[in-house]
Amino acid sequence: DAKTTQPTSMDCAEGRAANLPCNHSTISGNEYVYWYRQIHSQGPQYIIHGLKNNETNEMASLIITEDRKSSTLILPHATLRDTAVYYCIVRLSGAGSYQLTFGKGTKLSVIP
Amino acid sequence: EAGVAQSPRYKIIEKRQSVAFWCNPISGHATLYWYQQILGQGPKLLIQFQNNGVVDDSQLPKDRFSAERLKGVDSTLKIQPAKLEDSAVYLCASSPGLTSSYNEQFFGPGTRLTVL
Repeated sequence: DAKTTQPTSMDCAEGRAANLPCNHSTISGNEYVYWYRQIHSQGPQYIIHGLKNNETNEMASLIITEDRKSSTLILPHATLRDTAVYYCIVRLSGAGSYQLTFGKGTKLSVIP
Repeated sequence: EAGVAQSPRYKIIEKRQSVAFWCNPISGHATLYWYQQILGQGPKLLIQFQNNGVVDDSQLPKDRFSAERLKGVDSTLKIQPAKLEDSAVYLCASSPGLTSSYNEQFFGPGTRLTVL
């Protein structure tokens, strides 16, 4: 799996959009970008994933650059409950149980 | 739908003692994973099962760690004897399996182990 680079920590004001960047310059053509988050004292939780098109679900939006070397996870209206560590992971998708390789992630603090 | 269940949630032991953790995956999920998460780091995969067979145990310290999933459902992870550096959260995750195109991993709450 390709490696990813994320900032160690970020702050965001409650109600504002949180934009979490991720660099994955060595990503290969058949690798997806996945985002998980881990709220304190809980297991990681899947958020979203994408290949090259932008994706949106009820939790977040994922913007992937045209060259696929970086991406941004957007939480449109951050709440205190979004305070967590966010992991950007590059992995294969589709049929098969491809493993997740976690880095240290970005600790997002949502400030009241 | 019930999530991944793990027990106990917390365990404190002395070094050289033994400890076992239990995991019950989401019903119907063929693939089960055990991760170790040391404080301040992301989870690290220890072992992956597909039904009751081992897919990958390359990062499992086999001199002291063992895991089984005898009937392809529940799983146990054992440490014997424990060392101070085994203090961590042990996470269990499950996913539908190798033949499913939707294969996200669902994690349990973890077991926090403290070795004194």
